[in-house]
Amino acid sequence: EVQVLESGGGLVQSGGSLRLSCVASGFTFSSNFMSWVRQAPGKGLEWVSGIIGSGADTYYADSVKGRFTISRDNSKNTLYLQMNNLRAEDTALYYCAKARGIRLVNYYFDYWGQGTLVSVSS
Amino acid sequence: QSVLTQPPSVSGAPGQRVTISCTGSSSNIGTGYDIHWYQQLPRTVPKLLIYGNTNRPSGVPDRFSGSKSGTSASLAITGLQAEDEADYYCQSYDSSLSGYVFGTGTKVTVL
Repeated sequence: EVQVLESGGGLVQSGGSLRLSCVASGFTFSSNFMSWVRQAPGKGLEWVSGIIGSGADTYYADSVKGRFTISRDNSKNTLYLQMNNLRAEDTALYYCAKARGIRLVNYYFDYWGQGTLVSVSS
Repeated sequence: QSVLTQPPSVSGAPGQRVTISCTGSSSNIGTGYDIHWYQQLPRTVPKLLIYGNTNRPSGVPDRFSGSKSGTSASLAITGLQAEDEADYYCQSYDSSLSGYVFGTGTKVTVL
């Protein structure tokens, strides 16, 4: 059974940092593109960042580029999101999601974690 | 501000058919990138509903169907049921943004 479990969320002041983790199981983690998707309270879904299986290529939404860093440790089946210089608008539930598809441009997210809440106070 | 636009809400009586549109542009749907749909029931995690424009994952009822044409896509729900009351999101890739994009979301209400 595929499972992804996020952790690391919390309350932080504006300008602060947090590191989110996502432990995966039930599939070959190193072969799969993984992403972070967030949802602000009462708002819609926003894709944040993604990383290919090897970790060699990473992708970011413009809203977080230069502040967030995605990485992975395939030996630990773990995905990370280092978030620096946090802003109030980064307040959201952050989901870890496993991607699937044939071409990167056509990937979709077939498994999602329960999310970890990040709250940034201004 | 998403580049994929959906109506904020749609509603229908039980048994009726409703459709949700997802309007994009030449840098996403119009380029030929696939559209995928997610259902988010109240206070739950998003669930994949349709992938690759028209395909349903195992376990998704055939009441849900997807289509795509030009720079738009649609999700149809036939035989609307009370349990379909949820938020629905489309998703694609955008070449101008070099990343994935979600639609603005549509709340479906069963009258």
